[in-house]
Amino acid sequence: QQPVQSPQAVILREGEDAVINCSSSKALYSVHWYRQKHGEAPVFLMILLKGGEQKGHEKISASFNEKKQQSSLYLTASQLSYSGTYFCGTEAGTASKLTFGTGTRLQVTL
Amino acid sequence: NAGVTQTPKFRVLKTGQSMTLLCAQDMNHEYMYWYRQDPGMGLRLIHYSVGEGTTAKGEVPDGYNVSRLKKQNFLLGLESAAPSQTSVYFCASSYPRLAGEGYEQFFGPGTRLTVL
Repeated sequence: QQPVQSPQAVILREGEDAVINCSSSKALYSVHWYRQKHGEAPVFLMILLKGGEQKGHEKISASFNEKKQQSSLYLTASQLSYSGTYFCGTEAGTASKLTFGTGTRLQVTL
Repeated sequence: NAGVTQTPKFRVLKTGQSMTLLCAQDMNHEYMYWYRQDPGMGLRLIHYSVGEGTTAKGEVPDGYNVSRLKKQNFLLGLESAAPSQTSVYFCASSYPRLAGEGYEQFFGPGTRLTVL
């Protein structure tokens, strides 16, 4: 089953913060976060491992709640370049297979 | 390094025609994957491979076949294309998961396929 992402879409003004959530019904080994701009390939942002720490770089960070099988992506002081569709990919089985959510469309405006 | 490359970038087929999509990676990755992406559906795994000579089914394998004769290449075949296979196809590769570690998947630029 696909993980559930929320919200489906969000519009921000530059400098505002956003949180994107990803929830799975399966016991997870890891959660991956990717950003995809229109017409391009998904680009890796970060990976959260079971038992691992919260990750982050610059103004984007993420957490993984193993008890709830939920992950959240935090974008602070958003920039125009943050616009795109964000996908979480959950890993529950072998071969590092990912099951992706349906995405959250983020638009940052001036 | 070129990373992950895909050919062709675009293709239009008629119903019933066949074609092969080629994915190549130069990062010496063991694992390779084929996804399709449809509007509102996210990325769905078609087939994957954990090493040269091995392949396995993903979530949506029907109508597709794959082969991994060389470690760096992963081919996706459509034997008899159908309009429902109109989609954007992405190939990805990664290192194998080690205990306590996790590795990102690197994606190719995609192939936009239209079946009329």
